[in-house]
Amino acid sequence: QQQVKQSPQSLIVQKGGISIINCAYENTAFDYFPWYQQFPGKGPALLIAIRPDVSEKKEGRFTISFNKSAKQFSLHIMDSQPGDSATYFCAAGTGRRALTFGSGTRLQVQP
Amino acid sequence: GAGVSQSPRYKVAKRGQDVALRCDPISGHVSLFWYQQALGQGPEFLTYFQNEAQLDKSGLPSDRFFAERPEGSVSTLKIQRTQQEDSAVYLCASSDPGQGYEQYFGPGTRLTVT
Repeated sequence: QQQVKQSPQSLIVQKGGISIINCAYENTAFDYFPWYQQFPGKGPALLIAIRPDVSEKKEGRFTISFNKSAKQFSLHIMDSQPGDSATYFCAAGTGRRALTFGSGTRLQVQP
Repeated sequence: GAGVSQSPRYKVAKRGQDVALRCDPISGHVSLFWYQQALGQGPEFLTYFQNEAQLDKSGLPSDRFFAERPEGSVSTLKIQRTQQEDSAVYLCASSDPGQGYEQYFGPGTRLTVT
């Protein structure tokens, strides 16, 4: 019930392409869905987040799409750059309490 | 302003030793979380404080793990009688519930138990 399933495990995209990472959840009590970016040796950095009352949120090159009925959400990175190469984690939470994280997607953007 | 800081950044312990990991949250952040991140995995929740009150410790893997936040600011995660399976990165995050749901993470402490 608490799991968040993330795919793909790894992704290779050409510079300028679109990176798409998907997550699915089971617990309908989740009401907060953030995405984090993590570089090696660093802590996760909050990238963008969405609440279930909207279906899409865009911040710069990053967009979250949210499908409440399917219990799925995804991260789209437009115009992907080599500097975007990192591990991305989706997460889900209830209220302002603990987050449940996906297993991560290792993104490599080739120049 | 300053972000979440953690110390030490790296800790090597021999099996059976006790360790203490420190977290300094963002100033004014009421909520503080500890997560454990195994190599190649996503962070997993350990425990949660609101001010000095430990409201959820359901993620602590055993009674060897203990966390405290006595004055509602700095927090310490203590692991007694460390085992090899305790090797992981321990992450601390803080948030201000009055401002939203966002949790901000520190750089983590990498614990290696030999």
